[in-house]
Amino acid sequence: DADVTQTPRNRITKTGKRIMLECSQTKGHDRMYWYRQDPGLGLRLIYYSFDVKDINKGEISDGYSVSRQAQAKFSLSLESAIPNQTALYFCATSDSARLNEQYFGPGTRLTVT
Amino acid sequence: QKEVEQDPGPLSVPEGAIVSLNCTYSNSAFQYFMWYRQYSRKGPELLMYTYSSGNKEDGRFTAQVDKSSKYISLFIRDSQPSDSATYLCAMRRETSGSRLTFGEGTQLTVNP
Repeated sequence: DADVTQTPRNRITKTGKRIMLECSQTKGHDRMYWYRQDPGLGLRLIYYSFDVKDINKGEISDGYSVSRQAQAKFSLSLESAIPNQTALYFCATSDSARLNEQYFGPGTRLTVT
Repeated sequence: QKEVEQDPGPLSVPEGAIVSLNCTYSNSAFQYFMWYRQYSRKGPELLMYTYSSGNKEDGRFTAQVDKSSKYISLFIRDSQPSDSATYLCAMRRETSGSRLTFGEGTQLTVNP
């Protein structure tokens, strides 16, 4: 079984809709991250969380919100989706004792029409 | 200007070739340097990381850091078709906790 799972894997939605992407991990890591990947821009950090009560904005948090429901679960919401949020979204985890090692989920391909 | 620059390619080589993948960066505070491999429709996976300057070898892969030039490289010896993927460099400052800054990735194809 995959250590980091993301649901859904693919989603097409319309402008203005609310969308939630979910991430679960079985690695026992305390830190979790949400990235988006765009051609020509690479991976950019949206939000990250060091534990359930510690959530921080990344470099591109506008238009997004997150919730850390448990150590193993971290969800990303788009309150009102817009077309330029069309991208590949990745969740990642890491252990606070091994800061250089991040483990990524399989990604969610989101299309906003 | 991006903090980390990486030529997106694509790069196409014959099987058995030595591959050189590179990144440059502008922030001298970066101390930790990573290489991730991303297969099509998959998440990135960590290949290796190095601290500060020097070389690190792992099988057919060698990572090299030249902090004076702000330049890092990943060499792949005896490249195989299974090495076909996108390779992303990433970097971290000592003071940034676990936040990584990524290059955009280089797409590599190894032809049989």
